Amino acid sequence: DGGITQSPKYLFRKEGQNVTLSCEQNLNHDAMYWYRQDPGQGLRLIYYSQIVNDFQKGDIAEGYSVSREKKESFPLTVTSAQKNPTAFYLCASSRGVGGNTIYFGEGSWLTVV
Amino acid sequence: SQELEQSPQSLIVQEGKNLTINCTSSKTLYGLYWYKQKYGEGLIFLMMLQKGGEEKSHEKITAKLDEKKQQSSLHITASQPSHAGIYLCGADKMGGATNKLIFGTGTLLAVQP
Repeated sequence: DGGITQSPKYLFRKEGQNVTLSCEQNLNHDAMYWYRQDPGQGLRLIYYSQIVNDFQKGDIAEGYSVSREKKESFPLTVTSAQKNPTAFYLCASSRGVGGNTIYFGEGSWLTVV
Repeated sequence: SQELEQSPQSLIVQEGKNLTINCTSSKTLYGLYWYKQKYGEGLIFLMMLQKGGEEKSHEKITAKLDEKKQQSSLHITASQPSHAGIYLCGADKMGGATNKLIFGTGTLLAVQP
């Protein structure tokens, strides 16, 4: 089945450790996105990539890093510099930009203790 | 900066009743998306509206974008327990050219059998 796969679903890490969230899509989409969801704040854009080997910062990129070495993969690293990393992270993709429908994965829960 | 206001924040209806959720912006909406989310899960795409006055329907859900493109409504007819969840509206913040979405804070819908 075509779709967006995020892993792991649940992740616990100690404060100060970096953690990488995986996002893979087999929809042949050019654009991919990472959003963060916190209670009462809706979704906020962390990073996005319109094409392989290119990515741009979103609204809350500080403390995060990404790579886009393959079209189907867009991993997100939450670094120790992120002050409040505990959140629900959502990966998304679209065929392109400018009015193309954006589809989301099932999300990953990250808890930092 | 553009913000999306959703109302109501939460809603409890009896099964079989109709309901409406609103999404309002202070600026013109380009690429207005409606998604449904179960708590802790990914977003399910419902509909996307782009033109002023546009209306789309899928099963018992109808979404409209007003002529001025500053308000959208989501109407559910004869609600069922399967309609329960969080409804989110999202809009392209850069005039429809980038797919960088901003989101409302969501409307929590509960349907009582």
